[in-house]
Amino acid sequence: QKEVEQNSGPLSVPEGAIASLNCTYSDRGSQSFFWYRQYSGKSPELIMFIYSNGDKEDGRFTAQLNKASQYVSLLIRDSQPSDSATYLCAVNSNSGYALNFGKGTSLLVTP
Amino acid sequence: EAGVVQSPRYKIIEKKQPVAFWCNPISGHNTLYWYRQNLGQGPELLIRYENEEAVDDSQLPKDRFSAERLKGVDSTLKIQPAELGDSAVYLCASSSTINSPLHFGNGTRLTVT
Repeated sequence: QKEVEQNSGPLSVPEGAIASLNCTYSDRGSQSFFWYRQYSGKSPELIMFIYSNGDKEDGRFTAQLNKASQYVSLLIRDSQPSDSATYLCAVNSNSGYALNFGKGTSLLVTP
Repeated sequence: EAGVVQSPRYKIIEKKQPVAFWCNPISGHNTLYWYRQNLGQGPELLIRYENEEAVDDSQLPKDRFSAERLKGVDSTLKIQPAELGDSAVYLCASSSTINSPLHFGNGTRLTVT
């Protein structure tokens, strides 16, 4: 079973701070990496995806990928209470396989 | 663009009863997925379709679960008979290709009593 590991949290950060969410994966052949946000009682919604090593920025969100270390992270700048949710890391190991999700990290942004 | 539509939103049944969930994917999305999500866990794949063909059903408990995607559009997931451990949220998702981001429906919350 190919593993996607996340710290379950909760990760608590003050409003305006940077939240850093981390994810490691076991399959070195993984090619596509996704971050989903899931509010309580709701379905996952796509935040960002990244395919290449390095950083990818979209507004307050930055995804970072390091394939050598098998590590992907999500940074949220200027965190807002509305960012409080569970963040799911998902990895597509190889072409032809469906996304494999981690258990998610619960983020709490306190006013 | 209309999103992935699932019904019903909630279902409460007694154990040993049958239940069915329906999903209509985003128009033009050939790949359709059924995931199951237990409380505090990430979604776990049950089955993936490419058009009308089930190409990955290795995690589907075939003794009680079945699925179909006739004509390669809508899909139905069935459980018969349901067990207490089947209580979960059943999520349908679709994507344009296997490597494209998934778009999820609102899910069906199943409670088996």
